[in-house]
Amino acid sequence: EVQLVESGGGLIQPGGSLRLSCAASGFTSSVKYMSWVRQAPGKGLEWVSVIYTGGRTFYADSVKGRFTISRDDSKNTLSLQMNSLRAEDAAVYYCARGSRSSSYAFDVWGQGTMVTVSS
Amino acid sequence: DIQMTQSPSSLSASVGDRVTITCQASQDIINFLNWYQQKPGKAPKLLIYDASNLETGVPSRFSGSGSGTDFTFTISSLQPEDIATYYCQQYGFTFGPGTKVNIK
Repeated sequence: EVQLVESGGGLIQPGGSLRLSCAASGFTSSVKYMSWVRQAPGKGLEWVSVIYTGGRTFYADSVKGRFTISRDDSKNTLSLQMNSLRAEDAAVYYCARGSRSSSYAFDVWGQGTMVTVSS
Repeated sequence: DIQMTQSPSSLSASVGDRVTITCQASQDIINFLNWYQQKPGKAPKLLIYDASNLETGVPSRFSGSGSGTDFTFTISSLQPEDIATYYCQQYGFTFGPGTKVNIK
């Protein structure tokens, strides 16, 4: 079964750091791209970052310079290092797999991990 | 940056009704437009990719069309399990604001 499982969420004070992880299983071939998408409570989906095979990365303006995405294909793991966290970063963070059928769709999603930023 | 608008923001329809949602891009995105369904408390699910292609395993009552800046998502016969919020997404990965679909 194809599966993504996020971990690492929790309560963090403003200005703090947190590292999210996403463990992938059930698919053996390398994925073209993986992404993080977040959803603040009661709000819509916000794309956060993407990483391609080979390491090329892109970020939403709202997190650029504070968040770093990385992947370890040998361990089937995607990570998101989040620094200088703000109240507006509070959200459920989903990792998502790039579709094999499209160049920018996400065909498998994790269940999400909640990040709360509060003092 | 490409901006996405969706309309309506919410709708109520009866079981069996045809439901249509539109998504408009601020510039030409050719056919690079996807549609997702998100049920409360769940992760999003890909339904349609590249404007009109049905993702494997998705019921055929869901369809998409359009190109350029104007796109349409249709549920041909609304079912109770279709209660969800639907999002469009363009090739820069950004999502539209969503359309909440309820049963009347």
